[in-house]
Amino acid sequence: DSGVTQTPKHLITATGQRVTLRCSPRSGDLSVYWYQQSLDQGLQFLIQYYNGEERAKGNILERFSAQQFPDLHSELNLSSLELGDSALYFCASSVTSGGTLETQYFGPGTRLLVL
Amino acid sequence: DAKTTQPPSMDCAEGRAANLPCNHSTISGNEYVYWYRQIHSQGPQYIIHGLKNNETNEMASLIITEDRKSSTLILPHATLRDTAVYYCIVLSNTGKLIFGQGTTLQVKP
Repeated sequence: DSGVTQTPKHLITATGQRVTLRCSPRSGDLSVYWYQQSLDQGLQFLIQYYNGEERAKGNILERFSAQQFPDLHSELNLSSLELGDSALYFCASSVTSGGTLETQYFGPGTRLLVL
Repeated sequence: DAKTTQPPSMDCAEGRAANLPCNHSTISGNEYVYWYRQIHSQGPQYIIHGLKNNETNEMASLIITEDRKSSTLILPHATLRDTAVYYCIVLSNTGKLIFGQGTTLQVKP
């Protein structure tokens, strides 16, 4: 158990809908990272928040957005869902803002299925 | 971001050492080598990391060559539960983990 929690574990929805994925980092960690894992793309970095502020952006679609709240939990919002958004979404957390020596610990993931 | 090259798959007999190689020839001086593994579709699990010295923890050992262009992850006594995809990642200043395809390790009885 990494200490990172994610809800829900599974989510089934329809195309065009909007969903929110939630992540609670390990106690004391200030950074939250979001990753997407699809069958054809592998694990891809989406976005990082550090202490409530966006820190780094990866291959995140404009239909996706995220935020980190004062209690440091984070939400990933996915809108206008398409079939291709079906994937595993992982959240990770680390102590500080990231860098070359900053171990990230991953949550169990949310499996999203868009029908 | 430095890229890594790993064999797509490896087999190992249960109880034997599993040696997983990784090439990272474009690594920069201050970039760390990290290893994660992913069992089935679970969240990636941190294993070990290192800069230039060999490292050991309760899970594995990491051997980094002197020129830092390659490394080997060693699981000293592989068990069936070690069957997973193992990712070698060079962590740059951006802090982003860039996952490649990894090595699928199959531990066989």
